[in-house]
Amino acid sequence: KAGVTQTPRYLIKTRGQQVTLSCSPISGHRSVSWYQQTPGQGLQFLFEYFSETQRNKGNFPGRFSGRQFSNSRSEMNVSTLELGDSALYLCASSLRGLAGDTQYFGPGTRLTVL
Amino acid sequence: QKEVEQDPGPLSVPEGAIVSLNCTYSNSAFQYFMWYRQYSRKGPELLMYTYSSGNKEDGRFTAQVDKSSKYISLFIRDSQPSDSATYLCAMSGKETSGSRLTFGEGTQLTVNP
Repeated sequence: KAGVTQTPRYLIKTRGQQVTLSCSPISGHRSVSWYQQTPGQGLQFLFEYFSETQRNKGNFPGRFSGRQFSNSRSEMNVSTLELGDSALYLCASSLRGLAGDTQYFGPGTRLTVL
Repeated sequence: QKEVEQDPGPLSVPEGAIVSLNCTYSNSAFQYFMWYRQYSRKGPELLMYTYSSGNKEDGRFTAQVDKSSKYISLFIRDSQPSDSATYLCAMSGKETSGSRLTFGEGTQLTVNP
């Protein structure tokens, strides 16, 4: 079974631009979560989608948004990029998105904001 | 104060050593405890999973959870250079939180041949 895939793997943007990242979960998984990983803050939860609905949201500004499609694929968007948005963005999928469900991570998208 | 505290290291040990990695947490609602391993330029991969208190062993790896002390540990026996990676503890809790994981900062481990 194919794992979680994320595209693109690397991105370079400039301040003020916007960016869209994509995540394809493991086949059959209906929950997709997004995390931001930085050296100073570690992994921080952005949001979770289940059956095309945002079910949970972390403490990030409204510039960070996401959506999920009927095939469970998910995208996240960051508008008006800031230097501090440079990070590894990780997507994780799980079967039902319940507490205790195993989450499987993709390789991440490395975003650099100049 | 962070919900989950983990010594970021770095930790450097000789091959064959026993490694002990630890996390403390403050949220008593956490019930599920995980250890992930992350190699450079890769996503985290699940290493160990424990529900509530107790021990779990898998090969050279042992995970321990002490809910009364809000303390979890990962032991690696006979460490190998291939174990060199960042180790992240992660936790989740009530059903209302979904599958949201709260992570420690990660401990960078190097095993020297």
